[in-house]
Amino acid sequence: DAGVTQSPTHLIKTRGQHVTLRCSPISGHKSVSWYQQVLGQGPQFIFQYYEKEERGRGNFPDRFSARQFPNYSSELNVNALLLGDSALYLCASSPHNPARLAGAPGEFFGPGTRLTVL
Amino acid sequence: ILNVEQSPQSLHVQEGDSTNFTCSFPSSNFYALHWYRWETAKSPEALFVMTLNGDEKKKGRISATLNTKEGYSYLYIKGSQPEDSATYLCAFGSSNTGKLIFGQGTTLQVKP
Repeated sequence: DAGVTQSPTHLIKTRGQHVTLRCSPISGHKSVSWYQQVLGQGPQFIFQYYEKEERGRGNFPDRFSARQFPNYSSELNVNALLLGDSALYLCASSPHNPARLAGAPGEFFGPGTRLTVL
Repeated sequence: ILNVEQSPQSLHVQEGDSTNFTCSFPSSNFYALHWYRWETAKSPEALFVMTLNGDEKKKGRISATLNTKEGYSYLYIKGSQPEDSATYLCAFGSSNTGKLIFGQGTTLQVKP
């Protein structure tokens, strides 16, 4: 069975540009979460979607947005890129409703997209 | 702001050594504590989820304990092997948000 897939694997952008990152969850998983991981820190929660609805948002500026499609895949969009947006962006999927996610067996993570902003 | 702290930040041990690290988390609004293993160039892999004070979980040579009243969890590795080299992340599940808040990780390197 395929795990969580993300594309692209690596991306280089310049300041001010826009980027779209993509995630395909494990088949049957309806919950998708996005995390940003900066070197030396743990993953920071950005968004969570369940059944195509936003169920949670972390402490990130409005330049960050996301959506989930009818097939449960998801996109993370970042506008007006800053140098500080350089990070590994992780997508995770789960079959569980977010209301019970915190206590459920852990989310399944993809390999991440490494974004470099120059 | 909810803080999840892990210590030590990094650890170097010899093959065969046993080791342990700590995850500290808020003791209020506790729902669950998760441990993940993250090997270089791979995806984070879920190891354990614990929900009850006093929970103990074991998977091969790796085990974890949970104290929700004082807000800490220990991860133990018995007889470390080079393949145990990875970053170990803990994540606190909040009962009022359903979100996972990750610590910064403990990076373990096991030398043959």
